[in-house]
Amino acid sequence: DGGITQSPKYLFRKEGQNVTLSCEQNLNHDAMYWYRQDPGQGLRLIYYSQIVNDFQKGDIAEGYSVSREKKESFPLTVTSAQKNPTAFYLCASSMEAGEAFFGQGTRLTVV
Amino acid sequence: KQEVTQIPAALSVPEGENLVLNCSFTDSAIYNLQWFRQDPGKGLTSLLLIQSSQREQTSGRLNASLDKSSGRSTLYIAASQPGDSATYLCAVDRGSTLGRLYFGRGTQLTVWP
Repeated sequence: DGGITQSPKYLFRKEGQNVTLSCEQNLNHDAMYWYRQDPGQGLRLIYYSQIVNDFQKGDIAEGYSVSREKKESFPLTVTSAQKNPTAFYLCASSMEAGEAFFGQGTRLTVV
Repeated sequence: KQEVTQIPAALSVPEGENLVLNCSFTDSAIYNLQWFRQDPGKGLTSLLLIQSSQREQTSGRLNASLDKSSGRSTLYIAASQPGDSATYLCAVDRGSTLGRLYFGRGTQLTVWP
């Protein structure tokens, strides 16, 4: 089936640790996005990539890093510099100016 | 910067009612407006996409309209059912950066039997 797969579904991070969230799509979409969702707030854009080997910061990029080495993959690393990482993370993809499709999300908790 | 507002924040209705959810945005230079549904703890499911050249889109019991000049969209849900209970999110892009979306905070809908 075509779609976007995020893993893991739940992730726990210790203080000072870097963790990586996986996002894979088989929709042949050029653009991929990472959003963060906090209770009572709208989704906020962390990073986006419109083409392989290129990506841009969104509104809240501090403490996060990404790579786009393959068209179908856009992993997000939450670094120790991100002081409040507990949130629900959503990955999306689209063709340029087309309908956006989302994965099922990863819930990250600091322990 | 594009800002998106959704009204009401929450809505609780009996089964069978027709509903209207509202979305407004500050920058009318959009290319797309998209309505999503989100169930608790889940990702977003795309419901309807309206391009700026269109006035409305329909899918089953859902109808979304767009008035780009006034910066407004409405999502109409006919004959609501308990299975419609979810959070509904409106998102728009911005003509200068195609693809990235700006989201409202959503309307949490509860439909009781």
